[in-house]
Amino acid sequence: GAGVSQSPRYKVAKRGQDVALRCDPISGHVSLFWYQQALGQGPEFLTYFQNEAQLDKSGLPSDRFFAERPEGSVSTLKIQRTQQEDSAVYLCASSPGGTGNTIYFGEGSWLTVV
Amino acid sequence: AQSVAQPEDQVNVAEGNPLTVKCTYSVSGNPYLFWYVQYPNRGLQFLLKYITGDNLVKGSYGFEAEFNKSQTSFHLKKPSALVSDSALYFCAVRPVYGQNFVFGPGTRLSVLP
Repeated sequence: GAGVSQSPRYKVAKRGQDVALRCDPISGHVSLFWYQQALGQGPEFLTYFQNEAQLDKSGLPSDRFFAERPEGSVSTLKIQRTQQEDSAVYLCASSPGGTGNTIYFGEGSWLTVV
Repeated sequence: AQSVAQPEDQVNVAEGNPLTVKCTYSVSGNPYLFWYVQYPNRGLQFLLKYITGDNLVKGSYGFEAEFNKSQTSFHLKKPSALVSDSALYFCAVRPVYGQNFVFGPGTRLSVLP
C-alpha cells in the first residue's frame, strides 16, 4: 500500500484480556519499529525488526508484550493480560533500512483498557 | 545514551509571524536529526531531517531547521506561521551507528488568527 497501515484503529479491552495489534508496512521496507505513545507525550521505543529478525526489544515494558514479524512484512504486537497502564497509542513505523533513512508512521492503534 | 529535550511545552504565535520550536539533543558521535508533526488523532508525519552537509535544511510546508553542532541544537523555524500549522511537533535523534529513533516530549504549537 501507499503508507503504513495499522489495525484496529481503536480497541477497548477489559483488564486481563489479550490484544493483538497489526501493522502492514510500506511495501519493500526492511525496517519496522513499534512505539508506544502516552497521551500528550512523545513516542517511546518498544522494538525493532530488520526483515523477520527482531534485533532490539529493549523497550518492551514487560514479558506481557510480544512482537513478531514472521515473514518480514506484516508485524503483530501482542499484549497479554492487559493492564490499565497499557492504555496508549501504539505506533508502527517502517523504513527502507540503511543509515539516515526516514521512518514513516502509521495512524496508530488506540488502546484503552477498562 | 541519547536523549532529546524540547524545553517548551507550548509555543503561541500570531498568524503571519515567524515561529521557532526549540530542540536540543545528546548523543554519542554524530547524529541524524528529524522533525515530525502530529495532528489530532493522527500518526506522526515527517517534516525534515539533517543527515550531513548544509546546516540549514528545508522541509515540507515551508519549514526549515538549523543544525548547530556546538550548541547541540536543531531548532525548527518558519518565516510566516499559518493557523493550520497548529499541531504537536516532535524532534527526534538517531545516532549514526544505531537504528533506534529517540523522540523528544513534544511541543504544542498554537498559531492564533
